[in-house]
Amino acid sequence: KNQVEQSPQSLIILEGKNCTLQCNYTVSPFSNLRWYKQDTGRGPVSLTIMTFSENTKSNGRYTATLDADTKQSSLHITASQLSDSASYICVVIRQTDSWGKLQFGSGTQVVVTP
Amino acid sequence: DGGITQSPKYLFRKEGQNVTLSCEQNLNHDAMYWYRQDPGQGLRLIYYSQIVNDFQKGDIAEGYSVSREKKESFPLTVTSAQKNPTAFYLCASSIWGSSTYEQYFGPGTRLTVT
Repeated sequence: KNQVEQSPQSLIILEGKNCTLQCNYTVSPFSNLRWYKQDTGRGPVSLTIMTFSENTKSNGRYTATLDADTKQSSLHITASQLSDSASYICVVIRQTDSWGKLQFGSGTQVVVTP
Repeated sequence: DGGITQSPKYLFRKEGQNVTLSCEQNLNHDAMYWYRQDPGQGLRLIYYSQIVNDFQKGDIAEGYSVSREKKESFPLTVTSAQKNPTAFYLCASSIWGSSTYEQYFGPGTRLTVT
């Protein structure tokens, strides 16, 4: 069973509207959580990184939240633009002795329409 | 212009042939990684290397081989033993030594085997 579950699998939103993506995880021991944006046919690019003690982190129109107690995170996109059309991947980094192994969700495909 | 380059962007091979995917980085990162991405699934770790002349198997190493003769380069060979080689392959690099160090991804190579 995947240790990082994302929902919804896909969504379509009108340009200018807001949306929220969800991520639930069971990865342990937890180090940090990242949200990546992946354009079609390209490599993922990090949007935010959150450690255990952080509840909210913003990057422009992207705002991520983390509830480490319930092991849930969300990514909120404000005033969506056509360029926001992409897959958004939740990644939970598992703590090991000397590096952080990435556990990937399967992504939420976002389509922004005019 | 710093970053990670992967070549080629698209690769086509006949079943039964070995194929080597290139990954180069000029970020002076110690560690390099190979991931595989399939539709509807999260990225999965194939191999990783924390230092020159050393590498470790990831979660799905069967049918793949790697080498790390130079710090900047981490080529991946997809052998004929890999049962389902058609996928999108992503290379990444990072500083080694902490789970908070970000992994930076290359643009990917899409391999199609027929």
